[in-house]
Amino acid sequence: AQSVAQPEDQVNVAEGNPLTVKCTYSVSGNPYLFWYVQYPNRGLQFLLKYITGDNLVKGSYGFEAEFNKSQTSFHLKKPSALVSDSALYFCAVRDSMDSNYQLIWGAGTKLIIKP
Amino acid sequence: DAGVIQSPRHEVTEMGQEVTLRCKPISGHNSLFWYRQTMMRGLELLIYFNNNVPIDDSGMPEDRFSAKMPNASFSTLKIQPSEPRDSAVYFCASSLHRTSGRGSGETQYFGPGTRLLVL
Repeated sequence: AQSVAQPEDQVNVAEGNPLTVKCTYSVSGNPYLFWYVQYPNRGLQFLLKYITGDNLVKGSYGFEAEFNKSQTSFHLKKPSALVSDSALYFCAVRDSMDSNYQLIWGAGTKLIIKP
Repeated sequence: DAGVIQSPRHEVTEMGQEVTLRCKPISGHNSLFWYRQTMMRGLELLIYFNNNVPIDDSGMPEDRFSAKMPNASFSTLKIQPSEPRDSAVYFCASSLHRTSGRGSGETQYFGPGTRLLVL
């Protein structure tokens, strides 16, 4: 069965420091992996995705994520955090072998950037 | 592009009343998803459509919930009768699947959501 885990409910980072939000997954075939961000009282916004190819994916707002097949991980990273990055972050996965278009969603990680 | 449009943005109703949520997907998209978000249960997929046909409604909580997609540019989610436990934020998302079969990792784009409060 497909699954995705975000092991941290909350991550606290000082402004200017690097940040990492963790995501691990489990699928039968090859994964399609996504990161979304949700600001308060807003819908989810797409940040980046991994489909195939280069393991390092660059996305919006200076975020990037690294696909690691051996560790079944897709951690979200940013070299220097901004206070405006404070939001709720969701990881999602779909099995490329699955004809069902559903995404399996993580529980979300609240990122707090302190000035 | 206007993005996914949802209405109303906020809805306050009394228990037992009928509630209808509306969604206009991004023009040209052929898949539409309805989600519910609560603090307790997180983000849940309720139902999704492909080419206006419901594909998987296993996430619909019970018979009080129904969804329709009469054409490619409009979908509704109806709750009748509503109950306080239905209070949540309901999101609609759409995507374009360019190939048949398994697709190729198409991105879902979300609307701003409808915040529903059932008293």
